[in-house]
Order: sequence, then structure tokens, then C-alpha cells
Amino acid sequence: RKEVEQDPGPFNVPEGATVAFNCTYSNSASQSFFWYRQDCRKEPKLLMSVYSSGNEDGRFTAQLNRASQYISLLIRDSKLSDSATYLCVVNFRGGFKTIFGAGTRLFVKA
Amino acid sequence: DTGVSQDPRHKITKRGQNVTFRCDPISEHNRLYWYRQTLGQGPEFLTYFQNEAQLEKSRLLSDRFSAERPKGSFSTLEIQRTEQGDSAMYLCASNVLSGGITNEQFFGPGTRLTVL
Repeated sequence: RKEVEQDPGPFNVPEGATVAFNCTYSNSASQSFFWYRQDCRKEPKLLMSVYSSGNEDGRFTAQLNRASQYISLLIRDSKLSDSATYLCVVNFRGGFKTIFGAGTRLFVKA
Repeated sequence: DTGVSQDPRHKITKRGQNVTFRCDPISEHNRLYWYRQTLGQGPEFLTYFQNEAQLEKSRLLSDRFSAERPKGSFSTLEIQRTEQGDSAMYLCASNVLSGGITNEQFFGPGTRLTVL
């Protein structure tokens, strides 16, 4: 079993749609959690950190359920520019062991 | 540009040759990471430095791979006797430990390695 697993995708949605991505992790000692975005042939960039209380940044909402070892990302009112791969990321062992999920590809269509 | 830089951006080599990649992190960052990414996969952790000390190595890092960060600034990743399976994007990232909290990793543009 992979340490971090994500929805396989791809997700094809129209502009304005709401889309949700899920991620599970296997190591209960995991300490911090993130969503990164990666555009085609570019490096990953931080989208948002994920906190137990849940957090929102504009159209993006991230949730963490430590009991279920589950992380989610919700994108509301999708834009064409949201088309990218979304990577779920988990840190543990003092923060320096970083595990990325395989990523979920999102295509937003006009 | 004060971001993470990597050199070269592309490398084509023949099987059996040695290659070396360089990463220059953001100057005040004391943590440096190397990852490998293949098509359709997320970055796979290879190794990690805090200052000049290599604190963690993945089992993915065979004996043919070695990484250094001699003065706690730039880092090099060397692959000896390259194999076709080494073809991938090699990404470097850096960050700084602040108040015991792990923060965002900043990635460089990567070095794309093709082994013929």
C-alpha cells in the first residue's frame, strides 16, 4: 500500500463546477499536510497547508481528518486556469520526510 | 531571481556514463531536498540535508547515487553508471525550519535526465 493515495483522476469538469479531491495517508505519525499544484512540465508549488480545523483560501477549502487519516480539497467555481495536477503531501519525522501522492489531474473546460 | 535554481535543465547521456546535477537553494534556507519524478507520478523523496548534514536517504537511492552539500549551501547529486531506468525529472527543493514548524518547500525547475 502506498503511503499517500489520491483519487486517480483525471477529473473533467465544466467552468463553474465544484470539484473535490480526496487523499488518504497510512502513517499515523504524520505531522503536517499540504496540497501542491503542478502545471504541465513545471515544478510543484504550494497551494495551501491543511489544518485539523479546516482552512479556506478563496475558492479553495482543505480539510483534515486525523482519525480517518484523510485529507480533502474542494474547489468551487472552477476556472480554466485551475487545470493542473493536484498533489497531496504529507510530512512526518520532524518534517523532513516528505511523501507526495501520485497526483490528481484536473481539466476544466469552457 | 532569488528562487531555487538547478543546472543543467536537461541532460542526455548514454547508459553507463556518470552525471552530476547541481542545486542552489534559496540562500537563507537550511533544509534541502532531492526528489525524482517520472511521468504520471508525484515526486519521490530521495534525500534530505539540514545544513551540510545528510539526515535521511530513501531506499530508492541505490549505491550508484550520491548527494553532497559540502558547505551547507549548494548541493550536488551524482548518478554513476546511469541506467535507462534513471531517466526522470530530478527536482530540488528547499525550506527553513521555523519555530519547529515545517513550512512550504520551494522547488527548482528540475533537471530532466534522459539515458539512452
